[in-house]
Amino acid sequence: EILMTQSPATLSVSPGERATLSCRASESLGSNLAWYQQKPGQAPRLLIYGASTRATGIPARISGSGSGTEFTLTISSLQPEDFAVYYCQQYNDWPPGTFGPGTKVDIK
Amino acid sequence: EVQLLESGGGLVQPGGSLRLSCAVSGFTFSSYAMSWLRQAPGKGLEWVSAISDNGGRTYYADSVRGRFTISRDNSKNTLYLQMNSLRAEDAAVFYCARDRKVYEFWGQGIRVTVSS
Repeated sequence: EILMTQSPATLSVSPGERATLSCRASESLGSNLAWYQQKPGQAPRLLIYGASTRATGIPARISGSGSGTEFTLTISSLQPEDFAVYYCQQYNDWPPGTFGPGTKVDIK
Repeated sequence: EVQLLESGGGLVQPGGSLRLSCAVSGFTFSSYAMSWLRQAPGKGLEWVSAISDNGGRTYYADSVRGRFTISRDNSKNTLYLQMNSLRAEDAAVFYCARDRKVYEFWGQGIRVTVSS
């Protein structure tokens, strides 16, 4: 089973600043990597699939990059609604579509 | 508008059973695989089970294989998860989701509590 790790566990950022989240896989995924955002009490929301393709309705300030085993989610200018937990998910070896442990982005 | 609505959660004693349902609208249910995922309190996301579009193939996480059964009724646009021999570690919010290997649409979640 592919293992996913995310760093940092918590990222403290001021509104308007840039946030960079990392996700690493234990083996190559190609581009089969997705990112989700989850706010307290809500279901996760798909942000990015194919490592870099934004899902419907996702703003351009959110972008994904990477391939193989190293991936990055970047939020260029944090808005109040962006403070949340972010999960990466691999789907190169499915099932299962394993998730990383998450990165919490909170207000500095 | 795509909607997924879970039901059937609640409090159950260890060793007990529950059946979750997920009623779907807004897309052609019979054209998509579906999955159940869960999130234990304060923890991350865990895929639980998946089923192909016609129900012919099912998949399970090792942690639930032999205890949980996924099924679907395409005539009713409904997904099910029969959960038997429940353990304390099964306590979680359970989500149904449309499965294209990525999960684009999710239900709001239903809580399952396992306690005596």
